[in-house]
Amino acid sequence: ETGVTQSPTHLIKTRGQQVTLRCSSQSGHNTVSWYQQALGQGPQFIFQYYREEENGRGNFPPRFSGLQFPNYSSELNVNALELDDSALYLCASSLLQGPLNYGYTFGSGTRLTVV
Amino acid sequence: DAKTTQPPSMDCAEGRAANLPCNHSTISGNEYVYWYRQIHSQGPQYIIHGLKNNETNEMASLIITEDRKSSTLILPHATLRDTAVYYCIVSNNAGNMLTFGGGTRLMVKP
Repeated sequence: ETGVTQSPTHLIKTRGQQVTLRCSSQSGHNTVSWYQQALGQGPQFIFQYYREEENGRGNFPPRFSGLQFPNYSSELNVNALELDDSALYLCASSLLQGPLNYGYTFGSGTRLTVV
Repeated sequence: DAKTTQPPSMDCAEGRAANLPCNHSTISGNEYVYWYRQIHSQGPQYIIHGLKNNETNEMASLIITEDRKSSTLILPHATLRDTAVYYCIVSNNAGNMLTFGGGTRLMVKP
């Protein structure tokens, strides 16, 4: 089975620009979650997508948005980039069946630097 | 989800057992204890999880106290490749998010 793949691996953007990060979920998984990890800190939950709709959101402003596609891949979009958005962005997929969520598989992340 | 407390760092000699503690005194009856680790520049990797009983897999063992207020992750024979940040997370199995704390930075030394 394939794991979670993210692209690009590294990215440099200018403050005020917009960025799109991409994620392909693990085969057989139906949810995708996005996390932001600042240097030296644990990952922080941004949101999760299930059946192409947002299924929970962390404490992030609306300029962070996402999409999930029918093949369960996903995009994270960030508008009006700020310097503090510089971080490692992690994608995780999981299998949600009924009320149970069976484990998370993480990708290696996209390192975003805003200058 | 309940909050967890872990020591910020620990050292372990190569080949010895690494015992990583975690306190989760506010855990509720339907919440599981999960352990993930993150090796530098990689995404977190699932290790093990449990509800009440002790669990063992090919990577580690998880010991949960009877009152479920604390747990210990045991790496039986630590290697240099086990150097990583280890996160203890408490979550409802139906939860749509993992709440990561600061974790424990484990350094395995030769």
